[in-house]
Amino acid sequence: DTAVSQTPKYLVTQMGNDKSIKCEQNLGHDTMYWYKQDSKKFLKIMFSYNNKELIINETVPNRFSPKSPDKAHLNLHINSLELGDSAVYFCASSQEADYNEQFFGPGTRLTVL
Amino acid sequence: GQNIDQPTEMTATEGAIVQINCTYQTSGFNGLFWYQQHAGEAPTFLSYNVLDGLEEKGRFSSFLSRSKGYSYLLLKELQMKDSASYLCAVTPLTGDYKLSFGAGTTVTVRA
Repeated sequence: DTAVSQTPKYLVTQMGNDKSIKCEQNLGHDTMYWYKQDSKKFLKIMFSYNNKELIINETVPNRFSPKSPDKAHLNLHINSLELGDSAVYFCASSQEADYNEQFFGPGTRLTVL
Repeated sequence: GQNIDQPTEMTATEGAIVQINCTYQTSGFNGLFWYQQHAGEAPTFLSYNVLDGLEEKGRFSSFLSRSKGYSYLLLKELQMKDSASYLCAVTPLTGDYKLSFGAGTTVTVRA
């Protein structure tokens, strides 16, 4: 009964490829997020959706495209992967957009070769 | 923008007390969070302060002074399992929705 789950946990791929990371939450939360944590452990917000509507879109290359088919799912698609995309990507959810206790998924470690 | 500062590393002995400071300069303020992150794992919620003062929760306490833009996380009776990174995060004014994280403080507990 995992609260926030992500797949895959590890992803190793070549530069230039396209890949997707999936996230699901079973907490009944309205808001979901994608974060990137780089090698220096700095956690930075990328996107947020509230009830399937995009509410946060930070300065992220347009190679990154989030998709929310329903409020329990927020997937992240990355086109034309680059070396600098290597990081751990965390999905998170919160009850509401302005109630910010966030519950994080286990993370996806992406390595681009 | 948001500017959140905390020390990079701290080391303490098992059974001791450690205080992790966090200062922030943000465009608005609607609350401050502390999260714990063990190596290779996801961040987990520890505490939330929106009013000035001390919030105590077992061995962990968090303090906030909004006028000073300052918070600290106090870890008492340190245990080996407390070795982790501790992240300070600030929420802006309602309507902005973003949770801005500091770079984290890595605490190492030694026997």
